[in-house]
Amino acid sequence: IAGITQAPTSQILAAGRRMTLRCTQDMRHNAMYWYRQDLGLGLRLIHYSNTAGTTGKGEVPDGYSVSRANTDDFPLTLASAVPSQTSVYFCASSDQYNTGELFFGEGSRLTVL
Amino acid sequence: DAKTTQPTSMDCAEGRAANLPCNHSTISGNEYVYWYRQIHSQGPQYIIHGLKNNETNEMASLIITEDRKSSTLILPHATLRDTAVYYCIVRVPWGGFKTIFGAGTRLFVKA
Repeated sequence: IAGITQAPTSQILAAGRRMTLRCTQDMRHNAMYWYRQDLGLGLRLIHYSNTAGTTGKGEVPDGYSVSRANTDDFPLTLASAVPSQTSVYFCASSDQYNTGELFFGEGSRLTVL
Repeated sequence: DAKTTQPTSMDCAEGRAANLPCNHSTISGNEYVYWYRQIHSQGPQYIIHGLKNNETNEMASLIITEDRKSSTLILPHATLRDTAVYYCIVRVPWGGFKTIFGAGTRLFVKA
């Protein structure tokens, strides 16, 4: 059972470069989410999608964009990375028609220099 | 802003029950209480959830007050492996898309 797959696991990136974090789920869940987690802090919601073709802004959306072309994939793009975007990024999905619990990936550690 | 408040950290002796409180005084009638935990830097893991009745599974018990304004997660016999950050969130299962986490409670289980 794969669940949520994130790639890359870790990445070092120069400031100003474009970066896409990939997220794929094989559970056919309707809703997907992107969170960032900074050292010593909790999870902060960046963007979410409740179904293919729709997205919404979370708590900290600035500097990030997402797309949801199909049910399984929910990529997160940093158009021009800045050092403050150094963080661990978690993707999640949830089955809105069952228990509603969130399933998380193992995270992508991004360092922007 | 997170809709829940939790203590920043707690200690528990190994083998004893760990009781983690959560305040959610603004919870709506159709919102459920969910608990997750995060061990080291792994992705958060679902523990349990409930609406108004107490719930129990193989991992933990969830006690929700009658007015639903607070809840307690109980780990009946804490082990060193239960050392983690525990998050309490409230959301509507079928439509809670803007799911907000707070900072959670860092539980230290000591030998």
